[in-house]
Amino acid sequence: DTAVSQTPKYLVTQMGNDKSIKCEQNLGHDTMYWYKQDSKKFLKIMFSYNNKELIINETVPNRFSPKSPDKAHLNLHINSLELGDSAVYFCASSQEPGGGYGYTFGSGTRLTVV
Amino acid sequence: AQKITQTQPGMFVQEKEAVTLDCTYDTSDPSYGLFWYKQPSSGEMIFLIYQGSYDQQNATEGRYSLNFQKARKSANLVISASQLGDSAMYFCAMRAGGTGFQKLVFGTGTRLLVSP
Repeated sequence: DTAVSQTPKYLVTQMGNDKSIKCEQNLGHDTMYWYKQDSKKFLKIMFSYNNKELIINETVPNRFSPKSPDKAHLNLHINSLELGDSAVYFCASSQEPGGGYGYTFGSGTRLTVV
Repeated sequence: AQKITQTQPGMFVQEKEAVTLDCTYDTSDPSYGLFWYKQPSSGEMIFLIYQGSYDQQNATEGRYSLNFQKARKSANLVISASQLGDSAMYFCAMRAGGTGFQKLVFGTGTRLLVSP
């Protein structure tokens, strides 16, 4: 019974396309996040939502648009994909903003833009 | 600004030996939390251990312990009795953000290789 599930696991697409990654958590957590892991394995936060409201929006191109229809779901839509968007995107959730006692991560979505 | 530094890009250890992975942090917040995550080659992020800044005792979880030295701003992970399955990337992270909305800030990671 997966706690944080992301789909798809792999995504290969051409430059200029628009794509979405979906995330769902069944832990009852109030806060969800998107993190990006680059080719050097560095993890950086992109967005955070608390009870469907955006609370953290790091310096991310506005081609990236998160959407949270309810507190169990956080999707990431990317417009006009660029080569530099290739990375692993992780969804995560926590009981409270900031993840007081840890985050639960999804298994990641490896996005490859060609 | 909050920052996590992991100075060991790679570490080697023999099976059954103990290994220490270094982590130093920088923050001006009086209250913060420190985490360690494991990322095996399959890619998932696995939470290992947590230490709060006001916790008096070092955190332990099975074979994992966190050597928390507040004055030195270090939070090293100690893995005892290494196993082959411990080979992975290890990330130190800090909950940061002061009184505002907080987030996890990660270090650059240490790749651990356990040999038979």
